[in-house]
Amino acid sequence: DQQVKQNSPSLSVQEGRISILNCDYTNSMFDYFLWYKKYPAEGPTFLISISSIKDKNEDGRFTVFLNKSAKHLSLHIVPSQPGDSAVYFCAASPPIQGAQKLVFGQGTRLTINP
Amino acid sequence: DAGVIQSPRHEVTEMGQEVTLRCKPISGHNSLFWYRQTMMRGLELLIYFNNNVPIDDSGMPEDRFSAKMPNASFSTLKIQPSEPRDSAVYFCASSAGRYTEAFFGQGTRLTVV
Repeated sequence: DQQVKQNSPSLSVQEGRISILNCDYTNSMFDYFLWYKKYPAEGPTFLISISSIKDKNEDGRFTVFLNKSAKHLSLHIVPSQPGDSAVYFCAASPPIQGAQKLVFGQGTRLTINP
Repeated sequence: DAGVIQSPRHEVTEMGQEVTLRCKPISGHNSLFWYRQTMMRGLELLIYFNNNVPIDDSGMPEDRFSAKMPNASFSTLKIQPSEPRDSAVYFCASSAGRYTEAFFGQGTRLTVV
């Protein structure tokens, strides 16, 4: 049962343009969402997060949007740079007292073309 | 802090052998996670601990897998006996609790031949 889904295995974007990565979830109890970036032979690194009480969070070139009614979140990268080429994972966490469980999607490979 | 430290970085073993993966979480973090990354299933949560206590091991694929956290600074994931289908990259991560990000180690690439 895949509770967090990234339906696009790959995405190719031209340098300088906007990259939009999408993620859908099925569990309406999730209340915290995160995006991670992963380079080959490295562990995932945290990019940005959003709580379910918000619908937008921005950090520099990265903005995450949350649509709770659609159970959908997206990551916007503007402008896209060659160093953004990586695999991007979205993750979600249900409300567990005193603990945190992160459920990840399958990932989307983003390629930024010069 | 050096971050989450995993060892070994690479492990090649023969089918049937016991494999032990090790993890040192970030000091002060109270949650520790073991994930497995495969092409087919992405990042799967195997088990996670809170304050050294296993909270959810529903992701552990079979009884051949076991995990322990004897203290706040060390955890192991053991596979016995190992099988070729266990070949994957195994990640350990730790976090400071609710509404905080998890920090990942660099992973252990396991190959079972």
